[in-house]
Amino acid sequence: GAGVSQSPRYKVTKRGQDVALRCDPISGHVSLYWYRQALGQGPEFLTYFNYEAQQDKSGLPNDRFSAERPEGSISTLTIQRTEQRDSAMYRCASSPGLVQAEQFFGPGTRLTVL
Amino acid sequence: GQNIDQPTEMTATEGAIVQINCTYQTSGFNGLFWYQQHAGEAPTFLSYNVLDGLEEKGRFSSFLSRSKGYSYLLLKELQMKDSASYLCAVRSLVQKLVFGTGTRLLVSP
Repeated sequence: GAGVSQSPRYKVTKRGQDVALRCDPISGHVSLYWYRQALGQGPEFLTYFNYEAQQDKSGLPNDRFSAERPEGSISTLTIQRTEQRDSAMYRCASSPGLVQAEQFFGPGTRLTVL
Repeated sequence: GQNIDQPTEMTATEGAIVQINCTYQTSGFNGLFWYQQHAGEAPTFLSYNVLDGLEEKGRFSSFLSRSKGYSYLLLKELQMKDSASYLCAVRSLVQKLVFGTGTRLLVSP
């Protein structure tokens, strides 16, 4: 079956614009995670969902960042009033269940804020 | 807080064995993961340890000592395609993963 998909793969925007990044997890996966990854670093946790419920948003840098997963499947990470420091690779991952721990990562969205 | 340490870079020769160490200090522990990440690609799962001991999977093995806050990934019969970053990650009690900065492994002929 298909893996985790993300869109767009690349996004270039101007400072001050809002962006929405989409994640389509593996079908049937209960948990969905958002990470941000800087070059040469490991992924940095942002937030995660079990079904449609956001369980932990402690990693979101500030209130310009928000995420939703309204129907327990596709998720959107929104960044309002983007700043240059928001430029990074944003990765989504999903896992089959609450106990099963392996996370499957998507290809990421490369965000560049000019 | 959570702190995960692993070497920044290692080099090895094709056919050799290499051990990548990871030490961690976390406020909760519910498993340790190793992921492989080739340049420009997504991380892919290699191994998971939640109990002390060695888990073997083909050419790759992973070891965990919870009392020492220590894990290693052992790669045998190295191949050129094993050149990648290897990420150690700890799962907290609340399900999220905290990743180390990764170890870049360079395999030479």
